[in-house]
Order: sequence, then structure tokens, then C-alpha cells
Amino acid sequence: SQTIHQWPATLVQPVGSPLSLECTVEGTSNPNLYWYRQAAGRGLQLLFYSVGIGQISSEVPQNLSASRPQDRQFILSSKKLLLSDSGFYLCAWEQGYSPLHFGNGTRLTVT
Amino acid sequence: ILNVEQSPQSLHVQEGDSTNFTCSFPSSNFYALHWYRWETAKSPEALFVMTLNGDEKKKGRISATLNTKEGYSYLYIKGSQPEDSATYLCAFGRAGNMLTFGGGTRLMVKP
Repeated sequence: SQTIHQWPATLVQPVGSPLSLECTVEGTSNPNLYWYRQAAGRGLQLLFYSVGIGQISSEVPQNLSASRPQDRQFILSSKKLLLSDSGFYLCAWEQGYSPLHFGNGTRLTVT
Repeated sequence: ILNVEQSPQSLHVQEGDSTNFTCSFPSSNFYALHWYRWETAKSPEALFVMTLNGDEKKKGRISATLNTKEGYSYLYIKGSQPEDSATYLCAFGRAGNMLTFGGGTRLMVKP
């Protein structure tokens, strides 16, 4: 069966520090991968999606970037965090318009 | 930017009450409508994926209907239980496009 792992679960970082959140999927190959963010009091906002290794599409211009160095690995990064980057980040995968399968999320607080 | 609206934003009901809430989406170029349940401290889980106008889906006490011509979907919960307390998210998709999530309806069921 397929599983998705996302870490860390919580993170407190100072403004200006770098960020790296990692997500890996097991039990499937060539999944579509997604990074979402839920800002306080708002719904899920799509940040990045990837349909294959090295293929990244950004939905919203921002202070973040994503990379897919391996088929089942998706990384969300920032060189310098802003206060507005605080939120709950979710990684997800799907194949062929199936439902999204989400990781457990990362609560990021930028201080 | 696609407009996917959910109402109400939050809802308090008593145990045993039946309830429903709405997801509104653009009526053009419809491909799929997803419903997810997001419990506190967990990741969102798919409830339904609906693709055809007039679709009705049911899982236990939860059911959903879809009207793609007028651009809305209803989620119904019959005989609400405290364990139904969660945020319910809908997501709208057009062919070739990523899902756009609504802001969610937060349901709280009081024992």
C-alpha cells in the first residue's frame, strides 16, 4: 500500500533563516506531488505541484521554492523565511485524478 | 483564480441533528469535485470524488450531491455524532488544471 511521510511535524524558525521541509511517498511510482499551505483562518492554497522529476510548477509567486530530486521525494525550501510564511504545510500525492492523499503536515511558526 | 466558496464557514449542531453545507464552484469546464474531511491533528481524508452531473455519493451517514450546470454540491450528514466534528473541504477541478479548494466548513457537534 502507498504511504506518504512528511517531516518535521512542527518547526519554529526565526525570520531570515532557511527552510527545508521534506516529503516522500512509498508504494507507488511517478506520482503527482503537491505542496499546500493553510494560512490561519483560510482554506488550502496550492503552492507547488510536480508531475515528474525536476518538473515544478508554481501557483503563487512567493518566498518559497520546491524541488523534486527523485521520483518520490518533494522538498519545500526557502532561503530566508518571512513572518508571513507561518502556517500549516501539507504535502500530497495522487495519480490520474484520484483523490489527494495527504501527509500529516508541518506546523511552521516564524518568529 | 477560480472561485470556490463554501458555506457556512462554521456550524454548531447538537448530537443527532442532521445538517448540510454547500460548495459553489464555476459551472464551466467542470471535471471533478472532491470532498475531504479534515479532523484536528490529522491530515485531510477524501470522502468523495464526483465527476458527473447529478452524481450522488454515500458513505455511511454522509452523502453528497452534485449539480455541475449550476455549480454547486451539497454535503449531508444524517444524525450528526461528536466524531463528525471536523472541517469539511471541497475542491473543484477542471481538466488539465489543479484542484482549487474552498475555505472549508468547520462542523462542531455537541454531545
